[in-house]
Amino acid sequence: EIVMTQSPATLSVSPGERATLSCRASQSIASNVAWYQQKPGQAPRLLIYDASTRATGIPARFSGSGSETVFSLTISSLQSEDFAVYYCQQYNYWPPGTFGPGTKVDIK
Amino acid sequence: EVQLVESGGGLVKPGGSLRLSCAAAGFTFRNHNMNWVRQAPGQGLEWVSFIDSYGSQIYYADSVKGRFTISRDNAKNSLHLQMNTLRAEDTAVYYCARDGGNYYFDSWGQGTLVTVSS
Repeated sequence: EIVMTQSPATLSVSPGERATLSCRASQSIASNVAWYQQKPGQAPRLLIYDASTRATGIPARFSGSGSETVFSLTISSLQSEDFAVYYCQQYNYWPPGTFGPGTKVDIK
Repeated sequence: EVQLVESGGGLVKPGGSLRLSCAAAGFTFRNHNMNWVRQAPGQGLEWVSFIDSYGSQIYYADSVKGRFTISRDNAKNSLHLQMNTLRAEDTAVYYCARDGGNYYFDSWGQGTLVTVSS
């Protein structure tokens, strides 16, 4: 089973600053990675799929990159509504569609 | 607008059963593969089960295999999860999630809480 790891566990960022979140796969998964945002008490929301394609309605300040085993999600200028937990998920080897443990982005 | 509304959660004793449902609207349900994903309190996300649009291809996480059964009714735009022999570690919010076309999840319901406790 593919293991997904995310770093850091918590990222403290000031509003307006850039945030870069990392995700690593235990073996090559091509570009089959999605990123989700989850706010407290809410369901996850798809941000990025295929490593770099923004989902419908997702602002351009969110971008994804990477391939094989190393991936990143960048938020170019953090807005107040972006403070949340972010999960990566691989779907190259299915099933199961394994998630990373998440990175919490909080206010510095 | 895609809408997924889960129901059927609640408190159940270890060894008991529960049936979750997900009502879908705002899209052509019969054309989409569907999933259940769960989240234990304060924890991350765990994929639970997948069913294709026809109901013929089904997968389960090892943690629930043999105890949970996924099904769908395309005539009623509904997805179900029959959960038997429940354990404390099954306690979680269960989300119904639409497949985005390649085994990622592009729409989620609000979730239903299942608590397994004596």
